[in-house]
Amino acid sequence: GENVEQHPSTLSVQEGDSAVIKCTYSDSASNYFPWYKQELGKRPQLIIDIRSNVGEKKDQRIAVTLNKTAKHFSLHITETQPEDSAVYFCAASPDSRKVIFGPGTSLSVIP
Amino acid sequence: DVKVTQSSRYLVKRTGEKVFLECVQDMDHENMFWYRQDPGLGLRLIYFSYDVKMKEKGDIPEGYSVSREKKERFSLILESASTNQTSMYLCASSSPSGTGDEQYFGPGTRLTVT
Repeated sequence: GENVEQHPSTLSVQEGDSAVIKCTYSDSASNYFPWYKQELGKRPQLIIDIRSNVGEKKDQRIAVTLNKTAKHFSLHITETQPEDSAVYFCAASPDSRKVIFGPGTSLSVIP
Repeated sequence: DVKVTQSSRYLVKRTGEKVFLECVQDMDHENMFWYRQDPGLGLRLIYFSYDVKMKEKGDIPEGYSVSREKKERFSLILESASTNQTSMYLCASSSPSGTGDEQYFGPGTRLTVT
């Protein structure tokens, strides 16, 4: 089955710096890659996603890139703010009904 | 707004008890999921259902069962709770839209088995 790895497990950045989280997946059939953000004590929420026919997608300060050949995808957050502090999960979808999540990255943005 | 609710935020049960966790969504979503969340392990899929009375095993189904008698409700059952099932349990729902779809999560149930 699909396996998703995610690095780093923890990340601290100064406010205003960029943060990058990297994920790899194993199933070449996966074609949908969402990213979820979970703030402390809250439920995970989708922040951005990318499909296999697109190499890059951007939404304000957040961007995702996908390299299907290498089976890896990344989340880039620019101009980080304290409210970006959260746990971020990448995921890969091997079929239209479920996604497999990575172990998560705890991001701390230091004011 | 999609609303996914779970029957309890916190639950304390004893070893060997039968435990029911319930999830209800109000958006007529076909797919529903149960995950457990443990530090460093992310969200691990226990079971999911893509239709009423249909269920499929996820990555860690051992010790769990599920029931989906109505489209809006998906129940997770621990037949005989054990201490290693102490965890945060998250329910989610989604609606198919081709390849991939956003999952909407409930607030979670923190289960402690003593």
